Amino acid sequence: DVVMTQTPLSSPVTLGQPASISCRSSQSLVDSDGNTYLSWFQQRPGQPPRLLIYKISNRFSGVPDRFSGSGAGTDFTLKISRVEPEDVGIYYCLQSTLFPHTFGQGTKLEIK
Amino acid sequence: EVHLVESGGGLVQPGGSLRLSCVVSGFTFSTYWMHWVRQGPGKGLVGVARINIDGTYTNYAESVKGRFTVSRDDAKNTLYLQMNSLRVDDTAVYYCVRGSNMFRGVDYWGQGALVTVSS
Repeated sequence: DVVMTQTPLSSPVTLGQPASISCRSSQSLVDSDGNTYLSWFQQRPGQPPRLLIYKISNRFSGVPDRFSGSGAGTDFTLKISRVEPEDVGIYYCLQSTLFPHTFGQGTKLEIK
Repeated sequence: EVHLVESGGGLVQPGGSLRLSCVVSGFTFSTYWMHWVRQGPGKGLVGVARINIDGTYTNYAESVKGRFTVSRDDAKNTLYLQMNSLRVDDTAVYYCVRGSNMFRGVDYWGQGALVTVSS
């Protein structure tokens, strides 16, 4: 199975400041169709996960533009340009290129 | 608006069975792959099972293979997860999740159903 490793596991940030989360896969996520199926999800306390980003850098419907994704191959990054109070939660990356699809272990974003 | 509502969770003894249901609305259920994903207490997300559009193809995590069965009833807009021979480590919130038609992956999630396996 593809192992997804996120860093850091916990990220204390100041409101209004940027935040960055890294996700590294144990093998390339480039599919034979040329696409890379790497998504990012946000899970607020007590809520189900919510899709933020798909195929590395595409924002899902209704997602604020302060969220952005980048990367290629095995290294990916989720960035929040200016952290707001509602961004507190756990963030997960998910690879869907290879079956079984696998999630990262999660990064907890909290306010300093 | 897309909605997915799970039901059927609860407390069950080790070795017991439980069936989860997920009723969906707001989209054409019959044209989407569907998934079950679980989250153990204080833990991360793990894909459990998935089913294709007409129910002819299913995949399972190794940890549940032979014990869990995913199925669907398109006439009822409902996804199911039959769970047999339950173990303590199956304790989790089980989410019903829609496969995306825009990309290979998942998009919308239900609120989840809590399954507790304990004696």
